Amino acid sequence: KQEVTQIPAALSVPEGENLVLNCSFTDSAIYNLQWFRQDPGKGLTSLLLIQSSQREQTSGRLNASLDKSSGRSTLYIAASQPGDSATYLCAVRSNYQLIWGAGTKLIIKP
Amino acid sequence: SAVISQKPSRDICQRGTSLTIQCQVDSQVTMMFWYRQQPGQSLTLIATANQGSEATYESGFVIDKFPISRPNLTFSTLTVSNMSPEDSSIYLCSVVDREGNTEAFFGQGTRLTVV
Repeated sequence: KQEVTQIPAALSVPEGENLVLNCSFTDSAIYNLQWFRQDPGKGLTSLLLIQSSQREQTSGRLNASLDKSSGRSTLYIAASQPGDSATYLCAVRSNYQLIWGAGTKLIIKP
Repeated sequence: SAVISQKPSRDICQRGTSLTIQCQVDSQVTMMFWYRQQPGQSLTLIATANQGSEATYESGFVIDKFPISRPNLTFSTLTVSNMSPEDSSIYLCSVVDREGNTEAFFGQGTRLTVV
């Protein structure tokens, strides 16, 4: 059974720092992995999608990597800003289902 | 990418009543899903909405409590029936435009509080 873990559960850093969020999964047989952002009480915004055949994806200040063999993905945020404060969720797709991590709550202090 | 409109965005309801949430997509999609996110928790899949047939429910969720309709490839509704305070959650509609190797999109969610 696929399980997804995100570390750390919460992170608070000063503005301007580069940071890394971690996501690990137990079964390497995945179609893809997706990173989402969720603001309090809101829906989810898709940030990056990495297909199983890919190693990384980039969008602006965000870079996500995927290492299927070790069951790990990282989300790198460069030059963090207060507007980056949110909960970041990773999800892996096995068949039609998304299996979710519990999220990392990120606070960027001005 | 698919654009999803979910209504209402939030509601406060009395226990014992029912609320129907609507999910409208701007294009035809293969699969539509309904999720629940309880306070402080991650997402839990309620069911897959099937066009023209009964939804496929996950363990712990039943049709009598969460009836779902999907009359076409762009629209679905989720009803939360006979509500209790334990049903207070964010309910999210999600779509993928084809099976397998593709991106999931979400609506902005419905924040439900049952009093």
